[in-house]
Amino acid sequence: EPEVTQTPSHQVTQMGQEVILRCVPISNHLYFYWYRQILGQKVEFLVSFYNNEISEKSEIFDDQFSVERPDGSNFTLKIRSTKLEDSAMYFCATRDPLGDTFGSGTRLTVV
Amino acid sequence: QKEVEQNSGPLSVPEGAIASLNCTYSDRVSQSFFWYRQYSGKSPELIMSIYSNGDKEDGRFTAQLNKASQYVSLLIRDSQPSDSATYLCAVKEGNNRLAFGKGNQVVVIP
Repeated sequence: EPEVTQTPSHQVTQMGQEVILRCVPISNHLYFYWYRQILGQKVEFLVSFYNNEISEKSEIFDDQFSVERPDGSNFTLKIRSTKLEDSAMYFCATRDPLGDTFGSGTRLTVV
Repeated sequence: QKEVEQNSGPLSVPEGAIASLNCTYSDRVSQSFFWYRQYSGKSPELIMSIYSNGDKEDGRFTAQLNKASQYVSLLIRDSQPSDSATYLCAVKEGNNRLAFGKGNQVVVIP
């Protein structure tokens, strides 16, 4: 099982609502990522986060998205006003010398 | 736009046979390449990384890299039913983000 823990495992939300997805990364890792995977499609990069700030973001990561590390351990992804097309699996990942380790994922369903 | 391509359709192999998966990438400066396995509804799980031209073996898995041809492959020897999954090729780009291919579904038939 992945050592990167994500909560909740599944969230259903109404369009226009805010959601916060949470990740507890491997404790001594410093580089974090969020990816998403729409059903049947590629895993897509959203944002990378290092030293408590965004180091890179994709064109998907618009003003509706934000990330933070509120307490030095949890790593969160917030979507301010969800749209139907935000429905996807969202994965947190941390950088590891052998390759990035992915969390268990959150399935977000926007209705 | 930089691409990672995995073009072949679902692959069915009998138990004990070799499964061969291919991937091409467009970014010539990429140096790090990965194969992930993803079971349905689960997260990607790293199975192999490769950085140098040639072959790298790890148990029943062999990754092959040819940077001149921008090609990376994965061989699964002695395929087992538990190998039935989608295999994702990933290439590290830019500030260490991963670019993924669409994946190849492998079905091992007992």
